[in-house]
Amino acid sequence: DTAVSQTPKYLVTQMGNDKSIKCEQNLGHDTMYWYKQDSKKFLKIMFSYNNKELIINETVPNRFSPKSPDKAHLNLHINSLELGDSAVYFCASSQVLRGDTQYFGPGTRLTVL
Amino acid sequence: GQQLNQSPQSMFIQEGEDVSMNCTSSSIFNTWLWYKQDPGEGPVLLIALYKAGELTSNGRLTAQFGITRKDSFLNISASIPSDVGIYFCAGNAGNNRKLIWGLGTSLAVNP
Repeated sequence: DTAVSQTPKYLVTQMGNDKSIKCEQNLGHDTMYWYKQDSKKFLKIMFSYNNKELIINETVPNRFSPKSPDKAHLNLHINSLELGDSAVYFCASSQVLRGDTQYFGPGTRLTVL
Repeated sequence: GQQLNQSPQSMFIQEGEDVSMNCTSSSIFNTWLWYKQDPGEGPVLLIALYKAGELTSNGRLTAQFGITRKDSFLNISASIPSDVGIYFCAGNAGNNRKLIWGLGTSLAVNP
């Protein structure tokens, strides 16, 4: 009965590789988000999609490309991984009629070597 | 990016003590949210506040939406060891879908 799920939980890869993280929500929400949490625990919004349309696109390197095949899924593809990309990435979802209260997935810990 | 002023940054208390933390903003918010993050997990919503002055409880947790709409506090009564974690406040001004986040309050409870 997982509400927001992400795969994989852990991702270890070499610099320069391309990787993807997947997110799915079964809450029936219309909006999904990607956050990056650094070692100081600050949660930084990266992207948001509402009904498959990009609505938030913060200052993120264009090596990061979100893709939303439908409103229950939001994937994050990262090209040419760099050491500084190491962090925990969280997916979240919300519903506009519920005050945009966001519900988070368990996170993906990305380590770039 | 914009951040909320959340304090204290960390707390170390004895089991059974009450805890209070707060967040302030330079702008008016329509929504205040409080989350808890356990190690290795995602933030979990504790309390959501949608109206100025609103006081809401969730078990031993109580949170209030400040009358000025620029602040919120979270109280935890009779703390227990499983209260350990990082508590985040977040707010939304309503003009877009973006939450503004505090930097977190790290709580440690000594049994």
